[in-house]
Amino acid sequence: DAKTTQPPSMDCAEGRAANLPCNHSTISGNEYVYWYRQIHSQGPQYIIHGLKNNETNEMASLIITEDRKSSTLILPHATLRDTAVYYCIVANFGNEKLTFGTGTRLTIIP
Amino acid sequence: DAGVTQSPTHLIKTRGQQVTLRCSPKSGHDTVSWYQQALGQGPQFIFQYYEEEERQRGNFPDRFSGHQFPNYSSELNVNALLLGDSALYLCASSRRTGAYGYTFGSGTRLTVV
Repeated sequence: DAKTTQPPSMDCAEGRAANLPCNHSTISGNEYVYWYRQIHSQGPQYIIHGLKNNETNEMASLIITEDRKSSTLILPHATLRDTAVYYCIVANFGNEKLTFGTGTRLTIIP
Repeated sequence: DAGVTQSPTHLIKTRGQQVTLRCSPKSGHDTVSWYQQALGQGPQFIFQYYEEEERQRGNFPDRFSGHQFPNYSSELNVNALLLGDSALYLCASSRRTGAYGYTFGSGTRLTVV
């Protein structure tokens, strides 16, 4: 079973920031938080990962709470191409298998 | 730089038959994982190969088997196909050391009739 809980769906206006929440209250000390997204008919795409500090890359920002029990993925300026299913996953760093839940279906509204 | 390449893209098989799916990992990657994604569900881990050996396995029956070749490419074999094996089969590659994320292919859509 997935170790994370995400809302099943969210909408966001084009050009606004999309904030996707994830609860992972049973995360262990050596587990990272990973985010992937899956655009229709494609394989999942890696977005970002973090352990306990906030992280930012060219795609998104990841905010992890101090107790590490939840996190938020932020897409700063959402475009229509960001419409996808977003998966939050906790896993050990390295090559541990990924356990996907059902994710959040994010729809960007023009 | 080519990413993960999977073949074929679509496949239709009859119940009871056997199927082989193929995967070429991203350049520089040496570890290959396979996932099954049923319609409307998240991907489910089948197994992972590194150094031509199965390293991890998910909750799938022995009908699902695999192989990794010296050039790191991989095959997924499914015997005695069931209707419930109809799904998108995804291959993901990574580097064994310093890995921070998987690169997924676009998958093979298998339909069992």
